[in-house]
Amino acid sequence: DTAVSQTPKYLVTQMGNDKSIKCEQNLGHDTMYWYKQDSKKFLKIMFSYNNKELIINETVPNRFSPKSPDKAHLNLHINSLELGDSAVYFCASSHGQGVTIYFGEGSWLTVV
Amino acid sequence: GDSVTQMEGPVTLSEEAFLTINCTYTATGYPSLFWYVQYPGEGLQLLLKATKADDKGSNKGFEATYRKETTSFHLEKGSVQVSDSAVYFCALNSGGYQKVTFGIGTKLQVIP
Repeated sequence: DTAVSQTPKYLVTQMGNDKSIKCEQNLGHDTMYWYKQDSKKFLKIMFSYNNKELIINETVPNRFSPKSPDKAHLNLHINSLELGDSAVYFCASSHGQGVTIYFGEGSWLTVV
Repeated sequence: GDSVTQMEGPVTLSEEAFLTINCTYTATGYPSLFWYVQYPGEGLQLLLKATKADDKGSNKGFEATYRKETTSFHLEKGSVQVSDSAVYFCALNSGGYQKVTFGIGTKLQVIP
């Protein structure tokens, strides 16, 4: 069974469109994240939710809006997509402090 | 703030060679330290971790020792295989709300 699953895995879309990436974890974790990985493999945290509450919101354009309907889900909606949004977006989850983060397999977003 | 510095790749080794990927960190308090591995086209997976000074994490023949005096967590493997080709990320979590800081990632390529 997949622990952290995100969909879609691949997404190609035109500039200006709005798209969403969904994420679900079945590990019973209380914290979920969105990370962005650029073409040079640099990994940067975007958001973190703990028990559905936003606790980390890094400097991210407000075109990006996370939504956590419950502890097991954290979706990412992106408005007015730009070329620079092309990247791999990873959902992740964890439980407690100082412990392991479990990553999804990534969503490859290409904006054309 | 927290930071992780790891050697920039790519690192190219012949099969059965000895591997060292250096990682040093700056953090407040006593962080937990991690190595994650990302195989091509996949998400990040935890490779090993250490939660306190002098702890040694090990997995799949890889080892890293938490050295507080040198603020280092170097990754080593005695004999690499082609299947070890991947990107390796050093990371730390100094507590708080699970904000994990990642290094830039080091690409390892093992040739037969």
